[in-house]
Amino acid sequence: DGGITQSPKYLFRKEGQNVTLSCEQNLNHDAMYWYRQDPGQGLRLIYYSQIVNDFQKGDIAEGYSVSREKKESFPLTVTSAQKNPTAFYLCASSHPGTPNTGELFFGEGSRLTVL
Amino acid sequence: GNSVTQMEGPVTLSEEAFLTINCTYTATGYPSLFWYVQYPGEGLQLLLKATKADDKGSNKGFEATYRKETTSFHLEKGSVQVSDSAVYFCALSDRVSSFGNEKLTFGTGTRLTIIP
Repeated sequence: DGGITQSPKYLFRKEGQNVTLSCEQNLNHDAMYWYRQDPGQGLRLIYYSQIVNDFQKGDIAEGYSVSREKKESFPLTVTSAQKNPTAFYLCASSHPGTPNTGELFFGEGSRLTVL
Repeated sequence: GNSVTQMEGPVTLSEEAFLTINCTYTATGYPSLFWYVQYPGEGLQLLLKATKADDKGSNKGFEATYRKETTSFHLEKGSVQVSDSAVYFCALSDRVSSFGNEKLTFGTGTRLTIIP
């Protein structure tokens, strides 16, 4: 079945360590996104990519990095510079079609806890 | 910039009760509006959408009408079920570029619990 796969589902990290979250999609979508979800704050956009080898900062990019070397893959690295990394991270993708379709397809998320 | 404000939860209702979750927005131009739902342990999925003023989106018994005059997009359902228990997010779109890809702005989410 087509969809978005995020891994790992749960991750624990010690302070000062970088960690990379995986996001893979087989929907043939051009655009991919990373959101962070915190209780009471909804979803906030970290980075997005419209096409391979291109990506843009979202609203809260500080302390994060991404790459987009393949259409199917959009990994997110949470660096030691991110001051409050404990959160639920959601990856999504979309395909440009009818303008303003607005449908994002989400993975099941990765929960990162810093010990 | 764009913003979405939705009613704070949690909301607890009995089965078969009427549901309203309020959502208002601030945006330049004419955004599209959406409701996404997140079931326990899962990612978000699109519930319904409306792309222009006075449009009504509907799905699975849920409805929402795009009201430009009140900048609102309230979610309603006439008779809720236990299976509707989830977190509901209101969102608006902001076109990213001529690629046609969307950058959505989400509300904070409203947790809904339905008790038998």
